[in-house]
Formats: sequence, structure tokens, C-alpha cells
Amino acid sequence: EDQVTQSPEALRLQEGESSSLNCSYTVSGLRGLFWYRQDPGKGPEFLFTLYSAGEEKEKERLKATLTKKESFLHITAPKPEDSATYLCAVRGGSGTYKYIFGTGTRLKVLA
Amino acid sequence: ETGVTQSPTHLIKTRGQQVTLRCSSQSGHNTVSWYQQALGQGPQFIFQYYREEENGRGNFPPRFSGLQFPNYSSELNVNALELDDSALYLCASSLGTAGTDTQYFGPGTRLTVL
Repeated sequence: EDQVTQSPEALRLQEGESSSLNCSYTVSGLRGLFWYRQDPGKGPEFLFTLYSAGEEKEKERLKATLTKKESFLHITAPKPEDSATYLCAVRGGSGTYKYIFGTGTRLKVLA
Repeated sequence: ETGVTQSPTHLIKTRGQQVTLRCSSQSGHNTVSWYQQALGQGPQFIFQYYREEENGRGNFPPRFSGLQFPNYSSELNVNALELDDSALYLCASSLGTAGTDTQYFGPGTRLTVL
């Protein structure tokens, strides 16, 4: 069964303190791994799509990487405005149309 | 370019009632997916519509149904509401149904069932 596990569940960082969020997945024939940012009570905001192991993408202070079993979202020198829940989702190739989401990592960056 | 919009923003219903939620897809997108997100959880796939046809369904009972219109907007209908239906309902649009298509989400509708 396709599955996504995110860790840690929650993370508190001081402003400027870099860290990484983990997304481990089990899926038949990965067709894409997606990172989203979600603010409380809002819809997920698209960040990155990764398609194959070894791929990396960057946007401002965020960098996403992908291996055959997991993805990391690296946050460099975070600011308080980076505080949000970060969601990881996968889409498999077994004729499914859905994204399978993890439960997210709640990030709090303290000034 | 117009993003995904949803209406209403918030809704309060009582158990047993019926509800209709609406979604307008992003300009140029022909596929709409609906998700249910309970508090503290990740979104759970309900179903997807492509060119007015249901194109896949998650583990939700038949009282969850949907429609897609020729302009690619969509509705989610829930009959016989239960307390556990209280959640944030998210609509996402994408271009086509290929496995690599990125889905872009709307702001959601917060449904409370009393």
C-alpha cells in the first residue's frame, strides 16, 4: 500500500538556524513527489515537484532533494515567515489518480 | 492568471443535512480533484473529474458525489451529513491527468457539522 511518513511532526527553530524535514515514502512506480506549504486554515501552496532520484530544486531559502526512498526539504537560515506546516505528497503509477499526503511537519521559527 | 477559487469559505450544517461546495479551476486547467482534510491530518483524496467524467475515487462512501461542468468548474455534494464530515474541503486543479501533473489548491471550504 502506498504510504507517506513525515518527520518530525513538529519543529521549533531559532531564526537563522538551518534544518531539514524528512518525507519517507513507499509507492509503486513513483510518478512525482510534491512539497506544499500550508498556513493555518488555508489551502496548500505549491513549492516543488521532484520526479526522479538525484533531482534537486531550490526556491529562496528552501531546497528539496529526492532519493529512491525519501525526500528532504532543507531550510537554510529560516525566518519567522517560514513558519507553517510543510506537506509532502506522492503520486504512484499503479493507475491511481490521487496524491497521497503525509500528515505534515509543523515548523515554528522564533525571532 | 486566475487561481483556484472555492465557495463558500465557511459553512455550518446539522447532522443529516445535505451540502454543496463549489470550485472554479485555475485558468487553462481541465482536471479537478477534491480532498478532505481533518484537523491535524494530511488531505485525503475523495475523487477526481476530468472533462466532466469521474476519473478516480478514494475510500469515501457514495453519499459523497460530484460534478464537473463544461467550463471545468466543479461541485462536491455530501448527503446525510455526519459529525465526522466536519473538515476543510480542498479543491485542486491540474492540466490533464498524467501522473506528473502538479495540482494547485484552492483556499478550501471549512465545513462544520453540528
